[in-house]
Order: sequence, then structure tokens, then C-alpha cells
Amino acid sequence: DAKTTQPNSMESNEEEPVHLPCNHSTISGTDYIHWYRQLPSQGPEYVIHGLTSNVNNRMASLAIAEDRKSSTLILHRATLRDAAVYYCILIYGGSQGNLIFGKGTKLSVKP
Amino acid sequence: DGGITQSPKYLFRKEGQNVTLSCEQNLNHDAMYWYRQDPGQGLRLIYYSQIVNDFQKGDIAEGYSVSREKKESFPLTVTSAQKNPTAFYLCASSTGIPNQPQHFGDGTRLSIL
Repeated sequence: DAKTTQPNSMESNEEEPVHLPCNHSTISGTDYIHWYRQLPSQGPEYVIHGLTSNVNNRMASLAIAEDRKSSTLILHRATLRDAAVYYCILIYGGSQGNLIFGKGTKLSVKP
Repeated sequence: DGGITQSPKYLFRKEGQNVTLSCEQNLNHDAMYWYRQDPGQGLRLIYYSQIVNDFQKGDIAEGYSVSREKKESFPLTVTSAQKNPTAFYLCASSTGIPNQPQHFGDGTRLSIL
């Protein structure tokens, strides 16, 4: 499975946009980019996923670079409830997709 | 509401004792998973099952066992052979269709007395 690289931690102010980067320079053409987040003492929660085109849902947006070697999860207006560890995961499109979690990015949100 | 229920939330085990963690889902999902998480780390796959009466080992299956007798249930037994069982255990389920998201329970925290 291709690896991803994320910053260990990031800080944001409440109600400001947050851009969480992920590098995946060895991504293959059939790998999907998935994002999950984990709040303290809870199980991970699915956020969004995409292949080539940018994606939007009620939680966030996913911007994928043209060469697909990096992507950015965008939270449009951070709230205190968005403070969590965010994981960027690559999943081979043809597989059932056992998730391989790295250490993720710990996002802190200041009021 | 549909979801995944893990019980108990906290569990204590004596040395040499087997314990079973419960995971139940009412999402009608075919696939179920067990992960282990150690402090400050990501999740690691223990076992997974894509259909009733079938399951496969994940990356760290030694010292663990599972069963999948019913679609909605996937219990995990932590045996005495697991030398370092203290961890946060998470159960998940999915439709089994590629690229569909996994849905997680709130976990069971296991500690050794």
C-alpha cells in the first residue's frame, strides 16, 4: 500500500478555514484518497474520499492535485468540535479496502 | 438509529485470563473489522470478516481469536497468549463494496490488572 505523509499537528482559530495537507508521492492510478477523523476516546469517523476530481460534502472539501501526489482536506469554518486527529489513507480501488492508518495530523482549534 | 455498539466501554483483565469484547451492528453490513490502537498511534488491523462464517487474519492477529456466526455480530477474544493486551480496541463495519466507508464503534479500553 502506498504511504502518506502528514504534519504531526496543526492549529486553527475557530470560524476560520483549515487546510490539512497530505503527501502521497507513490500513489498509483487506482488508489483512492480517503480521510477519516478521530475525536478523543472515540472511534474514527469517515469524512470524505476521492480519486481525481475535487469532492465536496456536508463535512468538508477534498482538493486533489493534478498529478495526484498530494491532496488537501478543507474545513471551511473550523469549530471547537473539529478538534481531532485527521488521517489521510490510500485505498486500492479494486480492493475491499482494509484501512492502514498512519499517525495522522492532530488539529487544535482555538476559540 | 443504525450503528455499531461495542461493549463494555472499559474492561479489566487479570493475567492469564481470556476476555471477549462484543461488537454488534444493525447497519446490515456484510464486512466487519477489529482494530487495535495504542497511545499516540494509528489503528492496526487484527481480524476482518467479509461474510458470515468466514474471517481472515490482519496484521497483528497473534493472541486474538474471532467468530462470525451471525451477520450482525463479530466478537473478539483476547487470549492469555496476547502478551501486551492493554490497548483501545475498535470495531468497524462496511458494506463490503470497494471504497465504501467503514463505520466505527466507540471502542473498548482494555487494561491489565
